[in-house]
Amino acid sequence: AQSVTQLDSQVPVFEEAPVELRCNYSSSVSVYLFWYVQYPNQGLQLLLKYLSGSTLVKGINGFEAEFNKSQTSFHLRKPSVHISDTAEYFCAVSEGRNTDKLIFGTGTRLQVFP
Amino acid sequence: EAGVTQFPSHSVIEKGQTVTLRCDPISGHDNLYWYRRVMGKEIKFLLHFVKESKQDESGMPNNRFLAERTGGTYSTLKVQPAELEDSGVYFCASSPGRGREQFFGPGTRLTVL
Repeated sequence: AQSVTQLDSQVPVFEEAPVELRCNYSSSVSVYLFWYVQYPNQGLQLLLKYLSGSTLVKGINGFEAEFNKSQTSFHLRKPSVHISDTAEYFCAVSEGRNTDKLIFGTGTRLQVFP
Repeated sequence: EAGVTQFPSHSVIEKGQTVTLRCDPISGHDNLYWYRRVMGKEIKFLLHFVKESKQDESGMPNNRFLAERTGGTYSTLKVQPAELEDSGVYFCASSPGRGREQFFGPGTRLTVL
C-alpha cells in the first residue's frame, strides 16, 4: 500500500535562511508527487507537482523539489525563506493513471522567525 | 473566479446527533473529492465524485457517512449518528478533469462532544 512519511512535524528557521522539508514515500507502482501548503484559515494550495520528466520541479513562491526514485524521496527546498512562508506543508502521492486519490503525509509546520 | 467553498466553517455537535456538511465546487468542475484530517494525523481520502456518480468511495469509514451530489453540482456529506472519533477537519476539493490539479476548500472543522 502507498504511504507518505514526513519525518519533521515542525521546522523552525530564521528569515532568509534555507530550508528543506523532507518527504519519503512507498509505493509498488509509479506515482505522481505533490506538495501542498496550507496558510492559516485557508484551504490547501498546490505548490508544485511531479508527473514525469525532469526530476527537479520548480513551484510557486520560490520553492522547488527533487524527485529521487532510488531513495523514494521528494524533498521540498527553498534557498531563502520569508516570514510569509510560515504555514503547514503537506507532501502527497497518487498513482495517477488509476486513481485521483491523494495519499498525504502528516504535514510539516514551518515556522519562520525574524 | 470563486474557489471551492464549504459550509459551515465550524460545527460543534453532541455524540449521536446528525450533521450535514456542504461543499460547492468551482463552477464547471465535474470532479469533487472529500478528505478528512483527524487531529494530528494525515489528511485521508474519503471519496470521489464524477458529476453525480461515485467514482471511488473506498475511503468512507463506515455506513454512518453518506455523501451525495445531486445534479452534479454541490455535494453534501452527512454523518448520522456522529461519534467522538468523527471529529476533525473535512476538506472538499474539485478539479476540472481526471489527473488535473485538485483545488481545495478551507475545510469544515467538526467537533463531536
